[in-house]
Amino acid sequence: AQSVTQLGSHVSVSEGALVLLRCNYSSSVPPYLFWYVQYPNQGLQLLLKYTSAATLVKGINGFEAEFKKSETSFHLTKPSAHMSDAAEYFCAVREGGGFKTIFGAGTRLFVKA
Amino acid sequence: EAGVTQSPTHLIKTRGQHATLRCSPISGHTSVYWYQQALGLGLQFLLWYDEGEERNRGNFPPRFSGRQFPNYSSELNVNALELEDSALYLCASSLTGQGSSGYTFGSGTRLTVV
Repeated sequence: AQSVTQLGSHVSVSEGALVLLRCNYSSSVPPYLFWYVQYPNQGLQLLLKYTSAATLVKGINGFEAEFKKSETSFHLTKPSAHMSDAAEYFCAVREGGGFKTIFGAGTRLFVKA
Repeated sequence: EAGVTQSPTHLIKTRGQHATLRCSPISGHTSVYWYQQALGLGLQFLLWYDEGEERNRGNFPPRFSGRQFPNYSSELNVNALELEDSALYLCASSLTGQGSSGYTFGSGTRLTVV
């Protein structure tokens, strides 16, 4: 069965610092992997997705994620945090051929001035 | 292009009452997914509709039900409301069989049961 674990329910960084949000998954078959962002009182917005092409995936707003099969990880990074990046971030997995997308518990990112 | 729209934005109900939540997918999307986002519990899969049929449901009691209409819009019905049903209910859509491309979410309906 597929599952997603996001390490750290809260992450705080200074403006301009590196953002690193961790995600590990388990899946019995090659998965599709996603990162979504949720701003207060809004739905989720797709940041980026991995669908078995390049292992380094670039998304919107300067975010990128690297798929590492050996580590079953799909960590999200951004070189320089901006105040507008403060939000909750969700990692999600969908097994190839499966119907259901499973979401992690989310990581809330705080950006300090 | 209009996104996924959900109505109402907020809904306050009394325990034991019935709630109906509505969702209109992106034009051309035939799959609709419902998720419950309760405080501290992340997103829990509720229901998946595709081409007018319920394709699968999550681990929720039968008082959670819904349907999809010929225009692919959908409604979620919750009967005999309980306090723990208070949550943000999110609807998402995708092209049929293209969930691997990711979902487009609506802004949600905040249901409060008092």
